[in-house]
Amino acid sequence: KNEVEQSPQNLTAQEGEFITINCSYSVGISALHWLQQHPGGGIVSLFMLSSGKKKHGRLIATINIQEKHSSLHITASHPRDSAVYICAVPPGSARQLTFGSGTQLTVLP
Amino acid sequence: EPEVTQTPSHQVTQMGQEVILRCVPISNHLYFYWYRQILGQKVEFLVSFYNNEISEKSEIFDDQFSVERPDGSNFTLKIRSTKLEDSAMYFCASTEESRGGAFFGQGTRLTVV
Repeated sequence: KNEVEQSPQNLTAQEGEFITINCSYSVGISALHWLQQHPGGGIVSLFMLSSGKKKHGRLIATINIQEKHSSLHITASHPRDSAVYICAVPPGSARQLTFGSGTQLTVLP
Repeated sequence: EPEVTQTPSHQVTQMGQEVILRCVPISNHLYFYWYRQILGQKVEFLVSFYNNEISEKSEIFDDQFSVERPDGSNFTLKIRSTKLEDSAMYFCASTEESRGGAFFGQGTRLTVV
């Protein structure tokens, strides 16, 4: 069973700030997912990564496989980035995902 | 862009009633999943489905739950006799490969009264 821990649980930032959300997991994985959950509940996949770094617009995700740790960064944050950000990993050799508790991000104008 | 669609978006049902939640996965995807999220809690895995059979299920997925792919497009989750604690958001997801990026539906909010 893979334990997934995220920090912080809640994060409030001013518009324009650089945001970092952290995720650690207990068992080696093939890939890690970062997801975004909107206030209405819908879930959108942001990244799937197995090594190094990926960038999409203002979002950057990094992973350190040896340390079992990943970070999601948001540059030049904007109020529309306000959402819950969730880290998820497959537990062992299984295909389904084990989810972290999520980080509630609020970006104030 | 292809998407996973779920219906209905919200369902209210009386305790003890059967409900069927419907999902249309992305057409060329092979792996299908149901997850649920009780209000205020993390998303939990229920069941995965591949090649017309269940490939994995969690301890939550007891005899009250069943899944089916009745035709080439739909993927359904049935709860036979709903309990109050089944109230949650239910998400369907699909992937093309076993470890590909996951595509999620918008969810069905089930309220059992």
